[in-house]
Amino acid sequence: SQQGEEDPQALSIQEGENATMNCSYKTSINNLQWYRQNSGRGLVHLILIRSNEREKHSGRLRVTLDTSKKSSSLLITASRAADTASYFCATESGGTSYGKLTFGQGTILTVHP
Amino acid sequence: DADVTQTPRNRITKTGKRIMLECSQTKGHDRMYWYRQDPGLGLRLIYYSFDVKDINKGEISDGYSVSRQAQAKFSLSLESAIPNQTALYFCATSEAFGNEQFFGPGTRLTVL
Repeated sequence: SQQGEEDPQALSIQEGENATMNCSYKTSINNLQWYRQNSGRGLVHLILIRSNEREKHSGRLRVTLDTSKKSSSLLITASRAADTASYFCATESGGTSYGKLTFGQGTILTVHP
Repeated sequence: DADVTQTPRNRITKTGKRIMLECSQTKGHDRMYWYRQDPGLGLRLIYYSFDVKDINKGEISDGYSVSRQAQAKFSLSLESAIPNQTALYFCATSEAFGNEQFFGPGTRLTVL
């Protein structure tokens, strides 16, 4: 089963526009992470946000977490063609799921030059 | 040089064959993971290892086995490959639970 569900499944924008991707999850979490995957390649970690945090920034990336709604969003500002990739959220929960990441199905982002 | 390497990068095999995928890391991490990715889906956890002596099943371990030969090496075996094991396989490491994971480049496995 997948903890994270991402929305939209695909997003197509023009260079310079902002891109927002959403992730919803079902059970309480210790942290939520966002990863990027270029076509057929390994995943690259972008940001980790812990359950007691509400917002984090890294360069052009902004991640928010709302634990009351069990949701997170990833905002990429001033997008570039090089941002074209699949983006995955992954959650780490406690209990028997401690130490294990559960991934969503991903959002495919296409940025047109 | 890459911190997490996987061999082979591509493999085509036939139903019933035994296959081993290997993962090596130079990050000095104790935690290692094996995932599979199917087209249009996220990653699903096959096995994970806290350290050399501690190996645990993940979400989809049936049909797979693993070996942690050393801190730096974690191998995934398919004892008798079947076509629905055709997928992209990733190895990952982390310094500790609750930290980011570092992924290898993946192995594309095709079972005919």
